[in-house]
Amino acid sequence: KQEVTQIPAALSVPEGENLVLNCSFTDSAIYNLQWFRQDPGKGLTSLLLIQSSQREQTSGRLNASLDKSSGRSTLYIAASQPGDSATYLCAVSRLGSTLGRLYFGRGTQLTVWP
Amino acid sequence: SAVISQKPSRDICQRGTSLTIQCQVDSQVTMMFWYRQQPGQSLTLIATANQGSEATYESGFVIDKFPISRPNLTFSTLTVSNLSPEDSSIYLCSGRTGTEAFFGQGTRLTVV
Repeated sequence: KQEVTQIPAALSVPEGENLVLNCSFTDSAIYNLQWFRQDPGKGLTSLLLIQSSQREQTSGRLNASLDKSSGRSTLYIAASQPGDSATYLCAVSRLGSTLGRLYFGRGTQLTVWP
Repeated sequence: SAVISQKPSRDICQRGTSLTIQCQVDSQVTMMFWYRQQPGQSLTLIATANQGSEATYESGFVIDKFPISRPNLTFSTLTVSNLSPEDSSIYLCSGRTGTEAFFGQGTRLTVV
């Protein structure tokens, strides 16, 4: 069974800091990995998708890396802003499982204060 | 990517009643997924909904409690039946285009 762990569970930083959020998964036979953002009481917004054959993806101030062999991914947020405050979820799609069915971590709750 | 419109966005329901959640996708998707997110927890898959066949439920979830309909490739409903306070959660539907999963806005259910 695929298990996804995210560290830290919560993070509080001043505006402008660069951040690293960590995600690990137990089964390296993944199809892809996605990072999502969730605002309180809301749905999920996809931030970055990394295919299993890729090493990293970038979008604006966000950069996600993937090391499939070690079962790890990191989400790097540059120059954090108060608007980045949200919960960040990591999810993997597993080979041999229904494509689109995701296994989620518990998330990292990020607070960026002015 | 595709867009899912999910409604209602929130509801407060009495014990013993039912709530039906609707998801409408702006393009055809083969499979849709229903997740539950209990307070402070991550997302747990309830079932996978295929068009034209019965939904496939995960361990711990049963059709009598969570009946699902999937009448076509752009629409699905999840009903949460015989509500109890333990059903208070956020419910989310999801689909896939290509290799990327996308989600509805979520339904926050409170059972009183």
